[in-house]
Amino acid sequence: RKEVEQDPGPFNVPEGATVAFNCTYSNSASQSFFWYRQDCRKEPKLLMSVYSSGNEDGRFTAQLNRASQYISLLIRDSKLSDSATYLCVVRASGTYKYIFGTGTRLKVLA
Amino acid sequence: DAGVIQSPRHEVTEMGQEVTLRCKPISGHDYLFWYRQTMMRGLELLIYFNNNVPIDDSGMPEDRFSAKMPNASFSTLKIQPSEPRDSAVYFCASSLLSGGEQFFGPGTRLTVL
Repeated sequence: RKEVEQDPGPFNVPEGATVAFNCTYSNSASQSFFWYRQDCRKEPKLLMSVYSSGNEDGRFTAQLNRASQYISLLIRDSKLSDSATYLCVVRASGTYKYIFGTGTRLKVLA
Repeated sequence: DAGVIQSPRHEVTEMGQEVTLRCKPISGHDYLFWYRQTMMRGLELLIYFNNNVPIDDSGMPEDRFSAKMPNASFSTLKIQPSEPRDSAVYFCASSLLSGGEQFFGPGTRLTVL
């Protein structure tokens, strides 16, 4: 089993739709969680950190479920510019090693 | 700030040749990471440094790969000899804090023929 697993997609959604991605992780000692965004042929960039209590940044909401070992990303009112690959990232306690999922590809259609 | 700088941006070489990838982290960042990205395996951590010291190189595929960080502003990843299966995009990233945001360079797209 991979340490971090994501549905590769693609998720094709119309503009204005709400879309959600999940990511599961296998190491229960994982301590830090992030969502990164990667545009085609570009480098990954931090979208948001994921906090235990859940957090929101504009149209984006991230949640953590430690009991079931998954994190989620919700995007409301999708824009064309949201089209990208979303990478789930996990860091275990006691290490500075970040484990990246293979990403979920989102296409927002006009 | 210029961000993380990598060179070259593209490299095409023949099997058996030596390849050297270069990275300049963001000034003041204490952590430097080398990643490899392929379609099949996604983004894999190869090695990371803290204050120029290699901390974890368990992701380095084999002895053909080596990485150095002679000072706080420069790191290299070397592949010798290169093989076609090494073809990938290699990213360098740096961070200020141990658990903080990683800033990625634009990557080096390596093709080994």
